[in-house]
Amino acid sequence: DAGITQSPRHKVTETGTPVTLRCHQTENHRYMYWYRQDPGHGLRLIHYSYGVKDTDKGEVSDGYSVSRSKTEDFLLTLESATSSQTSVYFCAIRTTGGDSPLHFGNGTRLTVT
Amino acid sequence: GIQVEQSPPDLILQEGANSTLRCNFSDSVNNLQWFHQNPWGQLINLFYIPSGTKQNGRLSATTVATERYSLLYISSSQTTDSGVYFCAVDLFGGTASKLTFGTGTRLQVTL
Repeated sequence: DAGITQSPRHKVTETGTPVTLRCHQTENHRYMYWYRQDPGHGLRLIHYSYGVKDTDKGEVSDGYSVSRSKTEDFLLTLESATSSQTSVYFCAIRTTGGDSPLHFGNGTRLTVT
Repeated sequence: GIQVEQSPPDLILQEGANSTLRCNFSDSVNNLQWFHQNPWGQLINLFYIPSGTKQNGRLSATTVATERYSLLYISSSQTTDSGVYFCAVDLFGGTASKLTFGTGTRLQVTL
């Protein structure tokens, strides 16, 4: 268990509303990631963080922003949710540096109606 | 960008059978990881394997980086092996390594 907690686990929201997903880790790992998983696309990187206040974009970052104000929390925000953002969102961490095994949280299922 | 292809896309086995899953990638990588997504959606890291062979119980993996492929072997399959198996290649660029995932092999193990 890599000590990753995602919240909420499930959320239904309406188009145009803001949504924030939280990833919390208990072991002070430096590298954190947000992925989305969609049928036919596998897992795709949205944003990642390599330290407090240090973040960068992944391959599908449009429509998403992130923040990391403290080591243990990495927040993913959809400023104005769209139906195309209906997905399962996974947070992940690397436990021993920037090139080490990746471990995932249990995911957040988001539905945008 | 790099292409990661997995085969077969779907596989049905009887309990006790062996299987080999393949992952091909189109460019040089730092390392490769295998994951299992169980029917409840949890993603478990199976192997971190930039090259060579590793074994963990009934599962083993081999990566031949020079030929740009990796194999995952499942022996004496059990129903608990069902789920989707992903390989992911690690590319270092900029500030951190980032994984690019294949689209997976869906395995169903039947009694």
